Amino acid sequence: DVVMTQSPLSLPVTLGQPASISCRSSQSLVYSDGNTYLNWFQQRPGQSPRRLIYKVSNRDSGVPDRFSGSGSGTEFTLTISRVEAEDVGVYYCAQGTHWPRTFGQGTKMEI
Amino acid sequence: EVQLLESGGDLIQPGGSLRLSCVASGFTFTNAAMAWVRQAPGKGLECVSIFSGNGVNTFYADSVKGRFIISRDNSKNTLYLQMNNLRPEDTAVYYCAKGWQYDSWGQGTLVTVSS
Repeated sequence: DVVMTQSPLSLPVTLGQPASISCRSSQSLVYSDGNTYLNWFQQRPGQSPRRLIYKVSNRDSGVPDRFSGSGSGTEFTLTISRVEAEDVGVYYCAQGTHWPRTFGQGTKMEI
Repeated sequence: EVQLLESGGDLIQPGGSLRLSCVASGFTFTNAAMAWVRQAPGKGLECVSIFSGNGVNTFYADSVKGRFIISRDNSKNTLYLQMNNLRPEDTAVYYCAKGWQYDSWGQGTLVTVSS
């Protein structure tokens, strides 16, 4: 199975400051069609997960542009340019290239 | 707007069976791959099963293979998860998610396996 390793697992942040989360996969996430299926999800307290970023760097509809994704191959990063109070929650990376699908352990972001 | 509404979660004894349902709306269900993703209390996310949009391919996590069956009724826009021989470690919130890359999620339904 592809292991997804996130760091840090706990991220204290300051409002208005940038924040970033790293995600590393144990195998390349480049699929045979040339796409890299690495997604980022946000789970606010008491809510269902919500996808923020797909295929490494594409923001989903309605996602603020302060969220951005980058990376390639096995190394990926989620960056928040200026943290807002509503960004509190747990963030997961997930690979959609290999079966079984796997998620990172989650990074808990706290103000 | 995509909506996914799960139901069927309950308190069930070990060894028992349960069927979860997910009613979908707001998109063409027939063409969409659909997944069940679970989250044990205080834990992370695990993809349990995926059903391809073409209705041909199904995938299962090793932890549920041989015990869970995913199915769909395209005439009712509904995804199912038949869970048999349930174990305490199956206790989790079960989410229905749309697509191979989980672009939309339901609110989840809680399954508790305990005697």
